[in-house]
Amino acid sequence: NAGVTQTPKFRILKIGQSMTLQCTQDMNHNYMYWYRQDPGMGLKLIYYSVGAGITDKGEVPNGYNVSRSTTEDFPLRLELAAPSQTSVYFCANSAGDYGYTFGSGTRLTVV
Amino acid sequence: AQRVTQPEKLLSVFKGAPVELKCNYSYSGSPELFWYVQYSRQRLQLLLRHISRESIKGFTADLNKGETSFHLKKPFAQEEDSAMYYCALMGGGAQKLVFGQGTRLTINP
Repeated sequence: NAGVTQTPKFRILKIGQSMTLQCTQDMNHNYMYWYRQDPGMGLKLIYYSVGAGITDKGEVPNGYNVSRSTTEDFPLRLELAAPSQTSVYFCANSAGDYGYTFGSGTRLTVV
Repeated sequence: AQRVTQPEKLLSVFKGAPVELKCNYSYSGSPELFWYVQYSRQRLQLLLRHISRESIKGFTADLNKGETSFHLKKPFAQEEDSAMYYCALMGGGAQKLVFGQGTRLTINP
């Protein structure tokens, strides 16, 4: 039972490149989220989804896009990477009052 | 607006000493509050939910609506408690969590 799986674990991008961070779950939860974690800033919500085909912006969506074609998968797309997108990215799903299950994170560096 | 404040970025205590990690929140409704922990090189994981009023790994947290606080406490710190701790509030729909800035707790031997 993997829970929430993120790939890759690490990535270095050059400015202007694009990439997709993958997130998949085997818990059949409708609610999924992408957060970025920056030192001293906590976690900021980028995008979220309440079910297949439904996505919405969080607090810091600029420079990112998401899709949710299935319940299992919630990929995050970075277009035209910028140094400000250097961060650790976490995908999570929600079991409501029972809290979130997080993926192991993707450490992204944009140079 | 929803906001979670953890006033201490760093907290260092000696093994066996009491620990209190502070968390204050701002929310107009009835909040659901959580503490998450991130040990070194591990993913974030749920530590406590206020709704369950449970004690996990010796930690407790009481919701004080009058002071809008949800401080995390442990009477006797252990070295394995060294980690990053995040307080989080669920509100505003879609089960979204708003996180505090985090407190890095270091337990000295």
